Amino acid sequence: QVQLQQWGAGLLKPSETLALTCGVYGGSFRGYWWSWIRQSPGKGLEWIGEINHSGNTNYNPSLKSRVTISIGPSKNQFSLKLSSVTAADTAVYYCAKRGGGEVDVWGKGTTVTVSS
Amino acid sequence: QSVLTQPPSASGTPGQRVTISCSGSSSNIGSNFVYWYQQVPGTAPKLPIYRNNQRPSGVPDRFSGSKSGTSASLAISGLRSEDEADYYCAAWDDSLSGWVFGGGTKLTVL
Repeated sequence: QVQLQQWGAGLLKPSETLALTCGVYGGSFRGYWWSWIRQSPGKGLEWIGEINHSGNTNYNPSLKSRVTISIGPSKNQFSLKLSSVTAADTAVYYCAKRGGGEVDVWGKGTTVTVSS
Repeated sequence: QSVLTQPPSASGTPGQRVTISCSGSSSNIGSNFVYWYQQVPGTAPKLPIYRNNQRPSGVPDRFSGSKSGTSASLAISGLRSEDEADYYCAAWDDSLSGWVFGGGTKLTVL
């Protein structure tokens, strides 16, 4: 059973770049889409984007200009970078595994706060 | 504003059947599968229904899903206190080339 462990800085200042990494343990990296999803305080889920093992990506059009999802830095890891953050980017960020269509494995979530 | 529309709240008493709706358009629900996620506040979501009406192993058959046209529904029968959570629908949107979620429905078991 695949497990996801995520890490990264939890406190940022406006205009900085958010950087999170997610490690995939206990299963194959191939054959799936690896996603980032966030949830602002008291709000619903928002899909940020995803990547597959070949490096193909899909991004939320509303965030595309600021988002980069990549494989690495180590094997079986994938990363999220979100540039020029503002208070509106304050959220819990989840990494997740998507199989056929469904997200069936989630990381525990990382709380990211943007504050001056 | 979420692309998929859900009622903000729903409620029922133990043993009752409740239904949560999700309304979209031809570019998302109308042409793609619908997925439902259950989230207890403070925890990561879980998947009770995928591909409109399929249940992952371990999910009780009290949970069921359906889709018709550009709308979908999640039904929970024999309501239990542990079903109290936020429920989100999701689908791929062909126009946006991305995944879209509903705004979520808070289910309260009275």
